[in-house]
Amino acid sequence: EVQLVESGGGLVQPGGSLRLSCVASGFTFRNYWMSWVRQAPGKGLEWVASIKVDGSVTNYVDTVRGRFTTSRDNARNSLFLQMNSLRAGDTAVYYCTRVDGFGFYVKWGQGTLVTVSS
Amino acid sequence: DVVMTQTPLSLSVTPGQPASISCKSSQSLLHSDGKTYLYWYLQKPGQSPQVLIYEVSSRFSGVPDRFSGSGSGTDFTLKISRVEAEDVGVYYCMQGIYLPHTFGQGTKLEIK
Repeated sequence: EVQLVESGGGLVQPGGSLRLSCVASGFTFRNYWMSWVRQAPGKGLEWVASIKVDGSVTNYVDTVRGRFTTSRDNARNSLFLQMNSLRAGDTAVYYCTRVDGFGFYVKWGQGTLVTVSS
Repeated sequence: DVVMTQTPLSLSVTPGQPASISCKSSQSLLHSDGKTYLYWYLQKPGQSPQVLIYEVSSRFSGVPDRFSGSGSGTDFTLKISRVEAEDVGVYYCMQGIYLPHTFGQGTKLEIK
């Protein structure tokens, strides 16, 4: 069974940092692009970042570029999102997703909540 | 960025009745490979989103055939032929051709 399990969320002060992790199982992780999608409380979905199979290409939404970095460890079937200079507007549930095609997010994790507040 | 506009933003439907959601994109979603990368996702209450329709009209595995997608270019529609209680949630269209990938605002479906 394909599973994506996120962790690392929590409460952080504005300007702080947090590192999210996503552990994949049930499929050949190194063969897939992966993405992060977030959802602010009571709001819609927002694509955040994507990373190529070997980590050589990353893409970000403008609002996080320069502050967030996504990476992966294919040996450990793991995806990461390093979030720096966090703002209140970054408060959201962050989902790890497997990319099966252009925007084809077939598998989603359960999400991890990041709250940025003083 | 490509703007995805959904209408209506909320629907209240009697079980067994049809429902329809419109999604319009600010740019054509037709790729040079001939495919149109428009998706429909459903987020049921308390759950992660799940894909219903990919590439405009293809139903994902396990999705009931009462769900159908249509459209081309910039105008797309999701139809539910006969709404059931399990269909409640928020429906999102999403374009996957341009970065950043963008979602519609969401349409909340409730059962009367």
